[in-house]
Amino acid sequence: AQSVTQPDARVTVSEGASLQLRCKYSYFGTPYLFWYVQYPRQGLQLLLKYYPGDPVVQGVNGFEAEFSKSNSSFHLRKASVHWSDWAVYFCAISGSFNKLTFGAGTRLAVCP
Amino acid sequence: DPKIIQKPKYLVAVTGSEKILICEQYLGHNAMYWYRQSAKKPLEFMFSYSYQKLMDNQTASSRFQPQSSKKNHLDLQITALKPDDSATYFCASSQDWGGSEQFFGPGTRLTVL
Repeated sequence: AQSVTQPDARVTVSEGASLQLRCKYSYFGTPYLFWYVQYPRQGLQLLLKYYPGDPVVQGVNGFEAEFSKSNSSFHLRKASVHWSDWAVYFCAISGSFNKLTFGAGTRLAVCP
Repeated sequence: DPKIIQKPKYLVAVTGSEKILICEQYLGHNAMYWYRQSAKKPLEFMFSYSYQKLMDNQTASSRFQPQSSKKNHLDLQITALKPDDSATYFCASSQDWGGSEQFFGPGTRLTVL
């Protein structure tokens, strides 16, 4: 079975500060991993995806994520957060049958 | 222009009634999916279709029936609605079934009274 854990339900950062959102996965084998963002009252938008290869992947709006097989992690990072990044971020895994299994999400709040 | 259309955006229904949620994608994708997001549970997978054929069903209840009249359509019929069915239902699509990234529609927010 595949699963994803996002240990931080809520993260608050100051605008301009760096950001890391944590994601741990469980899967027997090498998974496909994704980060999605959900802005208030909107659907999900894909930020970035990991397919087996370079462990560091670049996404939109300055986001990047690093895959670690040894740590079973796929943490999301951004060097400088903007107020418009205020949203809920979901980590997801796709293993068997192409279904996405999502974590519970991390709510990011940005302080001025 | 929106590439994945879901209708309606909001839906209110009474317990025991039946509703159909509409999804159309204009991305030329061959696979489509339904997911549900409620206050009690995180986003959860419901169904996947590839070339209009059901590939996976993770919904325990037969009250939820996907319907695919065209390759770019995947509607969701829900019968005998219950308050616990209240959730936002998201349609998604991907180029092919099997590892490709999925793109999501804006969702239909269903409230069952």
